[in-house]
Amino acid sequence: QSVLTQPPSASGTPGQRVTISCSGSSSNIGSNSVYWYQQFPGTAPKLLIYRNDQRPSGVPDRLSGSKSGTSASLAISGLRSEDEADYYCAAWDVSLSGWVFGGGTKLTVL
Amino acid sequence: QVQLVQSGAEVKKPGASVKVSCKASGYSFTSYLIHWVRQAPGQGLEWMGIINPSADSTSYAQKFRGRVSMTRDTSTSTVYMELSSLRSEDTAVFYCARRGIGDAFDVWGQGTMVTVSS
Repeated sequence: QSVLTQPPSASGTPGQRVTISCSGSSSNIGSNSVYWYQQFPGTAPKLLIYRNDQRPSGVPDRLSGSKSGTSASLAISGLRSEDEADYYCAAWDVSLSGWVFGGGTKLTVL
Repeated sequence: QVQLVQSGAEVKKPGASVKVSCKASGYSFTSYLIHWVRQAPGQGLEWMGIINPSADSTSYAQKFRGRVSMTRDTSTSTVYMELSSLRSEDTAVFYCARRGIGDAFDVWGQGTMVTVSS
């Protein structure tokens, strides 16, 4: 059971906007930044969003992150087939003194 | 370019230890901390701990304390993660990742598959 809670799956059609949620507590999301990673099968994760809503260079602006209270969201607009992947949220947990991840959300582009 | 290159796949028997390496290049090795993350087959990501290559200090996740050791060799810009008393549940891909921009895991190694089987 992961400390951060994500829906196991999400889906959308090309061009649609999809959001993936990440729920935590006051000891992680409520008091620290949220990060989002994308992972394709058989490959290493890739950083998409850092510090809640910041995109590293090279990440398109149709991806955006937000945070409110103890929850966060990743939004992908203009959905494309190449967005089909697993997405993970992460945050530092002060109670555990460690990094915690969500269980991952498998995004399917229909 | 900035990259982390890990050692190859390993097969170990229960009770044995495994040592995985992660060689950094393209940046100042001692300027960035390195995390280790475990991913069991079909499962999510699990943080194991972090090493500061400059101070040679470490911090381990509670779950792995007593069984994991992270070390570094500044002469080769390499960090190591050793996991002992292996059991079948340790079968997983192990990743190293740099703590970079905004404290994110910004650069990842390609992963090392460790299989624990009798």
